[in-house]
Amino acid sequence: EPEVTQTPSHQVTQMGQEVILRCVPISNHLYFYWYRQILGQKVEFLVSFYNNEISEKSEIFDDQFSVERPDGSNFTLKIRSTKLEDSAMYFCASSEQGAQTQYFGPGTRLLVL
Amino acid sequence: AQSVTQLDSQVPVFEEAPVELRCNYSSSVSVYLFWYVQYPNQGLQLLLKYLSGSTLVKSINGFEAEFNKSQTSFHLRKPSVHISDTAEYFCAAHTQHLGGSQGNLIFGKGTKLSVKP
Repeated sequence: EPEVTQTPSHQVTQMGQEVILRCVPISNHLYFYWYRQILGQKVEFLVSFYNNEISEKSEIFDDQFSVERPDGSNFTLKIRSTKLEDSAMYFCASSEQGAQTQYFGPGTRLLVL
Repeated sequence: AQSVTQLDSQVPVFEEAPVELRCNYSSSVSVYLFWYVQYPNQGLQLLLKYLSGSTLVKSINGFEAEFNKSQTSFHLRKPSVHISDTAEYFCAAHTQHLGGSQGNLIFGKGTKLSVKP
């Protein structure tokens, strides 16, 4: 069964450093998403992406965040200058259509020191 | 604003007992509803979903949920739980905003189901 994959599974970085989280969505899906889950809190929407542009973004998704689909398979989330409060599990998801079921990857656990 | 409420943060239950995990949503527009499960140290897995049609939806591992529009609820139930059902369960709602934009999932805070022998 096709699945969303994410790399790395864990990332530790120093505050102020840039990180890139990578995702490979399910191959025939056209809609992509990033969510995050701070430890002990709910899963929060960050951004959605379709047709090579951002469809929607939440208040969390400020100027330090960016997303890109650099090729036909990868979907990346870049955090330019990480802060301690960026420590969280970051989930990528994809869906075949915009209002249909989203399938999640296993997540990248980011720890900012 | 759209919101999803899971009133129970933790639900302890004995093996083979029935369980109900509650979920309520608020929305003034059409909504799709989902339950995701997160096993320890793993990602989110889709458990079941309601998009349209029959209000009772079932998963392959014995869970079911019923969409109740009048009560704006989508409670998750299982008549007899197993130790392996121990996990965190997230209710989520998807609203496609006016204008047909992509929309996104709104999650509840999650309910930790702990099944004891």
